[in-house]
Formats: sequence, C-alpha cells, structure tokens
Amino acid sequence: AQKITQTQPGMFVQEKEAVTLDCTYDTSDQSYGLFWYKQPSSGEMIFLIYQGSYDEQNATEGRYSLNFQKARKSANLVISASQLGDSAMYFCAMREGKVLGSGGGADGLTFGKGTHLIIQP
Amino acid sequence: EAEVAQSPRYKITEKSQAVAFWCDPISGHATLYWYRQILGQGPELLVQFQDESVVDDSQLPKDRFSAERLKGVDSTLKIQPAELGDSAMYLCASRGAPSGANVLTFGAGSRLTVL
Repeated sequence: AQKITQTQPGMFVQEKEAVTLDCTYDTSDQSYGLFWYKQPSSGEMIFLIYQGSYDEQNATEGRYSLNFQKARKSANLVISASQLGDSAMYFCAMREGKVLGSGGGADGLTFGKGTHLIIQP
Repeated sequence: EAEVAQSPRYKITEKSQAVAFWCDPISGHATLYWYRQILGQGPELLVQFQDESVVDDSQLPKDRFSAERLKGVDSTLKIQPAELGDSAMYLCASRGAPSGANVLTFGAGSRLTVL
C-alpha cells in the first residue's frame, strides 16, 4: 500500500483563486511529520510547510496552510490567492517513526507522486 | 542563503558507461540524502548518511550503484554500468541537527539521460 497518496495528477486554477491539493497518508506510527514541497520546472525541491502529528493547530506559512485531519489521515495543502508563480509540481511527504528531535536513525522522507498545478491568468 | 550544491546539472551518457554525481551539503549539516526521481514520479530515497556512515541504503541497487561520504562532508553517487532505466533526476538533500521540523534542504539536482 502506498504511504502517501495524491489523487490529483493535475489541476488548473484561475489566478487569485484559492486551491486545495489533496494528500492522504498511511502509517501506524504515533509520531510522524508531514511536509509539502514545491518543485518548479527547474527541478529544485522547495520546502513549503510542515505539520507534526502532535501539533494541535494547523500549520500556516504565509499563503500556505495545511488542513490536517488526523482521524482521516489527510494533510491537504491550501494555497490562498494563487499567483502565476505558483505553477509547479507539489509533493506531499511523510517522515515516520522518529521522535522529532532525536535524529541518528533512518528518517528519509517518503513522497507522493505529486500534483501538477497550473495557474491560469 | 546557504544551499546544497550539486554537479553536474545535466549528464548524457551511453549505457554501460560509468557516471558520477557530486553533492556538497550546507555547511555543518551532518545528515545527507540521495534521492532518485523518475520523470512524473515523486523522489525515492536511495541512501542516507549520518556524517560518514551509511544509515539507510536499503533501496540502493548495490550491484551498480555506490555512494560515499568519506570525510563526512561532500558526497559522491556513482553508477556503473549505467542502464537505460537509470535516466532520472538525482537529488541530494541535507539536514542539520535534529530540531523542530527537521526540514530537508534540496539541491537543484543532476539530470541523467542514458542513451
């Protein structure tokens, strides 16, 4: 079974509209972290936002917010007031099984297949 | 702003040839990762280093891939011999001392085409 599922291969959104990118995850761990990265056509992965499994409030970073629904195992990214420069691939990722801050063990991120977001003028 | 350096940015090679990628993480970052990203998919972890030690190489095809980080700073990923299916983007990432979100910072990647 896939650990990270992104069900929207592609999305077209009008500039200035809000957009929600879906992400569901699968883990039996109690401690985990969820990440969203943006990948423009240049190829570099750019960190956007993070949510820890024990965080009680949804994470926000500027125009980005994370709609975290733990019981449903979903971590959707919301981009408010979309801009042309938001056009890119967006990846949801998870780190499992580590007490955040401990380090020292295997803790690579597991990524979904991504959503290609295109903002139209 | 500190960044992860990777080279080359682009590499075209013929199958059965050897190819190598280099990564210089952010200064002071002890943890280094190599990912492979096939076109249209998300990145997949190949290997993780903590300083000079391999922490996880369970997904590294060891018959043809090797990775080293001899002095715990920069790292090299090698493929020998290259196969057509190795065409992909190879991404390097690093992370500093574990705290908070433990965010991975990625380099710009090395795009490999095997002919």
